[in-house]
Amino acid sequence: AQTVTQSQPEMSVQEAETVTLSCTYDTSESDYYLFWYKQPPSRQMILVIRQEAYKQQNATENRFSVNFQKAAKSFSLKISDSQLGDAAMYFCAYRSAEGGSARQLTFGSGTQLTVLP
Amino acid sequence: ETGVTQTPRHLVMGMTNKKSLKCEQHLGHNAMYWYKQSAKKPLELMFVYNFKEQTENNSVPSRFSPECPNSSHLFLHLHTLQPEDSALYLCASSRRSGGALETQYFGPGTRLLVL
Repeated sequence: AQTVTQSQPEMSVQEAETVTLSCTYDTSESDYYLFWYKQPPSRQMILVIRQEAYKQQNATENRFSVNFQKAAKSFSLKISDSQLGDAAMYFCAYRSAEGGSARQLTFGSGTQLTVLP
Repeated sequence: ETGVTQTPRHLVMGMTNKKSLKCEQHLGHNAMYWYKQSAKKPLELMFVYNFKEQTENNSVPSRFSPECPNSSHLFLHLHTLQPEDSALYLCASSRRSGGALETQYFGPGTRLLVL
């Protein structure tokens, strides 16, 4: 079974600064997908960024980028130029690419990010 | 707004009540999911439906009964719940085709309190 570990329960960053959230995972599969979701106080789970394991290039979405290290099974999220609206709980998630039917996401325990003005 | 709606947003019920949670997606997806989010715990998958057929039941107690009448609607029927069932219940949907297109999109959740 796959597991996802987020070792930082809480992080804080000054507005306009850069912060990196850590995520490691354990799997025996070679093909899979990784995601970062954001859950603000509204509790709406919002997709931030996704990465296909077969792609060596790190995914980027505006101020959000990942550092995907497949051999180390590490998938960190970097937020540049942090904004007050980035304050939220961030979840790392894993999904297998094997099989033909809808596949479940395995979530980490989350990192609560505070942005300081 | 992700295209997935859930009602009600908040629900308080007694242990002997029967209630239902509703999820609707407007994204043309074919797979729908129920997750439970308890305090201090990772999200837990409860059920998965693929083209209206249940393909995953993650050892969920029978007091939770899902129903998927079509690919756009998903219900979670609740009866004789326990206080420990109090949690945020999240619905998600995705396409079935696999690959990045199968990214799950979440609704805003129903905050359930069982007294």
